Formats: sequence, C-alpha cells, structure tokens
Amino acid sequence: ETAVFQTPNYHVTQVGNEVSFNCKQTLGHDTMYWYKQDSKKLLKIMFSYNNKQLIVNETVPRRFSPQSSDKAHLNLRIKSVEPEDSAVYLCASSQWTGQDTQYFGPGTRLLVL
Amino acid sequence: QEKVQQSPESLIVPEGAMSSLNCTFSNSASQSIWWYQQHPGKGPEALISIFSNGNKKEGRLTVYLNRASLHVSLHIRDSQPSDSAVYLCAVISSGSWQLIFGSGTQLTVMP
Repeated sequence: ETAVFQTPNYHVTQVGNEVSFNCKQTLGHDTMYWYKQDSKKLLKIMFSYNNKQLIVNETVPRRFSPQSSDKAHLNLRIKSVEPEDSAVYLCASSQWTGQDTQYFGPGTRLLVL
Repeated sequence: QEKVQQSPESLIVPEGAMSSLNCTFSNSASQSIWWYQQHPGKGPEALISIFSNGNKKEGRLTVYLNRASLHVSLHIRDSQPSDSAVYLCAVISSGSWQLIFGSGTQLTVMP
C-alpha cells in the first residue's frame, strides 16, 4: 500500500522552464527527503526537512528548492531546468532522521528537451 | 564523503538458487547499513538493515556485516522470479545521518 504519493508520474519540458513536483506522505512521519536517481540507478540525497529544519546537500544547484506547507507535504521546485536535470526524483519520509526506515514514493520522471 | 560500491552490477540465477550480493563502504564508523529493493517504475523498498558485526536473518534474507573489512553482503535463499529487481545497498553516514546509496545490483531470477 503506497503511503508516499508523488505527482506527476512523468513530466516533459524544455530547457529554461520552471517545474514543480508534489509529494505527500500519510504515515505521520516528521522527516521528508528528496532524492535524485540517475540513469545508472544511483540515488543521491538532495534535501532533508525535519521540524522546519532544512538540510541541503552542498552539491545541489541553487535552481532547486524544496517547499513545505506542513510536515506531510514537501514539494520540489526547479527554477530553470537544464538537460542534466533529466532523472527520476524520489520523495521519501521517515519517523525521525538517522536510523529509521525511509519509505519512498514511486518517483517523478523528468525529461528535459 | 562516504562511498558505497556494489558488486556484481548484474546477477542472473536460476529459480531456487542462492543469490549473493556484495557491498563495500568507506567508513568503518558508518551507522546502520540498509538493503533496499527496487522494481521497475517503483520507489525503493527497505528490506533489511544491520548495525552490529555478524549476521542477521529475516525469512529468506541473511545479511553479513564485517566492519573491519568494510564489507556487507546480502544472501537470498530459494530465489524466486518475483525477487528480480535492483538491490541497493545504503549506509547511514556517521557525520550527516543521511543515507548514502550504492549504484545497485540488477538481480534476475530465471524460472
């Protein structure tokens, strides 16, 4: 049963456009994450967000920004997409940070033309 | 930055066989080590985790951890076609408490 929901499933856009992806979790968790998965299946953490504290991976370009309205939602905005942003973006949640199990959504596949 | 490497990249086994997947990590002070399973078009799903040296068994899965050699392995007994998926090894970084993933092993179980 899916407890981390992501929309859209798939998005095609052109270089320079702005895109926004949505993520909602119904598990009552306190921490949410965004990951980027490249074509070789390598997952890299982009952001983690807990109790309004944002931790940013220093390698993430500034055009990426997370947006949260409450602890159940963490959206991802990309201000001006570039070809290298083509990837699958995965949202996850966990009760706390650290040792707790992370539960992933199905991902949003982005294709930048 | 913590590094995680997995081998082999691809593994094909017959139904009923044992599947053995390997993972090495770069920091002996890493916290828990996790194995995730990812089917096509789905997000990763946590299978099993281990923190202490030794082994841990859950159903058909057994994990072995050796911190001295920075090595962890996952063994799937009586492999089934439904086990066919990408298996991702991940470690909790001792500094940032974030999950650092390897690039995965594609397991194919032939009926």
